[in-house]
Amino acid sequence: SYELTQPPSVSVSPGQTARITCSGDALPKQYAYWYQQKPGQAPVLVIYKDSERPSGIPERFSGSSSGTTVTLTISGVQAEDEADYYCQSADSSGTYPWVFGGGTKLTVL
Amino acid sequence: QLQLQESGPGLVKPSETLSLTCTVSGGSISSSSYYWGWIRQPPGKGLEWIGSIYYSGSTYYNPSLKSRVTISVDTSKNQFSLKLSSVTAADTAVYYCARILPDGYTIFGVVIGRFDYWGQGTLVTVSS
Repeated sequence: SYELTQPPSVSVSPGQTARITCSGDALPKQYAYWYQQKPGQAPVLVIYKDSERPSGIPERFSGSSSGTTVTLTISGVQAEDEADYYCQSADSSGTYPWVFGGGTKLTVL
Repeated sequence: QLQLQESGPGLVKPSETLSLTCTVSGGSISSSSYYWGWIRQPPGKGLEWIGSIYYSGSTYYNPSLKSRVTISVDTSKNQFSLKLSSVTAADTAVYYCARILPDGYTIFGVVIGRFDYWGQGTLVTVSS
């Protein structure tokens, strides 16, 4: 199987910058996607193709890629950004075209 | 505005088959531009991709579930469905249906894309 590894939790104070990483062997060759999930709600896409932002997503959300790690950055974190964040990508063989990371709980202190 | 709605029994007995349907409104499931997928989330845990389907019927399944999963599409009803056989307590989860917007590339013939619209999810509990 193919795995994407995320830290279980990240904590930041309001106004600071949060960085959530996701690691996987195929990430140099495959796009990454990021989803935000608040309690009791369905996930919402916040970043696609490593660094593109869907319409309606605030500019404080950005994505980047370097080697086997992709990073979701939230600048000027707000209380409403407290949520679980999941990365998603694919392996290089097509066996696992959609794989999710284990998720990261972002806590706004 | 596209909407997806999951429906089906909220309680399934062990060893039986879980059956869910996703009804798409505000858009056509027959559009050649999209794929459709199922994702699940056990209580307190992360997301797991189950499988995906194209309106033509082409399917892709998570290898870890492939032997138990069947996904089908009914274009006349604008619906697609999930069947998961021989369920156990480990299959208890919130099940989501979602639309997949392709991102213009494939991996060994598999179209890759993002989940851009999701249903609200439905909790299915496996218990006797």
